Amino acid sequence: EVQLVQSGTEVKKPGESLKISCKTSGYNFDMFWIGWVRQLPGKGLEWMGIIYPEDSDTSYSPSFEGQVTISVDRSIGTAYLQWNSLRASDTAKYYCLRRPGKGSTVDYWGQGTVVVVSS
Amino acid sequence: EIVMTQSPGTLSVSPGERATLSCRASETISSKVAWYQQRPGQAPRPLIYNTSTRATGIPARFSGSGSGTDFTLTISSLQSEDFAVYYCHYYKTWPYTFGQGTKLEIK
Repeated sequence: EVQLVQSGTEVKKPGESLKISCKTSGYNFDMFWIGWVRQLPGKGLEWMGIIYPEDSDTSYSPSFEGQVTISVDRSIGTAYLQWNSLRASDTAKYYCLRRPGKGSTVDYWGQGTVVVVSS
Repeated sequence: EIVMTQSPGTLSVSPGERATLSCRASETISSKVAWYQQRPGQAPRPLIYNTSTRATGIPARFSGSGSGTDFTLTISSLQSEDFAVYYCHYYKTWPYTFGQGTKLEIK
């Protein structure tokens, strides 16, 4: 069974760093793209970026380029989303997701990680 | 970047009736359009991909259609569990984009 299990709720202060995770299981991690989507409170879905674990080929949406870093640890089948300096505007729910390949859409989603940034 | 615009923002429909949700792309796009359902507090659930193909386990009352710039999700006979927010999604070229969502509520 394919599973994407995300790390738990985070409460941080502005300026702090953060790395949230997406632990996968039930399939060959190297062969499927992993993406991250942001959902601001009460708002819609926004693509942040996507990574191909086998070679770490990564693309970021223009709004998120330079704001976050997406990475993977192939040895444990886990993807990460990282901030170096959080802002209050980063308060949101973040989803990881799996995409089978170019030309395919998302087939599995993680349960989401809530990030609260407040002084 | 392709902008996907959904209409209406909120749709009020009675159970058992048909719901038609629209999504318009900012330019002519391929058939790489998907639809997702999101219930409160839950992750989005894949419904439709490649404009009209139902995802695994999705009931036949959900159907997708469209081409060019205009795409539609139709729910033929609304069940109580269908009242949720629906998003269209373009996934041909990066950056992929979502529509802003249509909230389907009980009339």
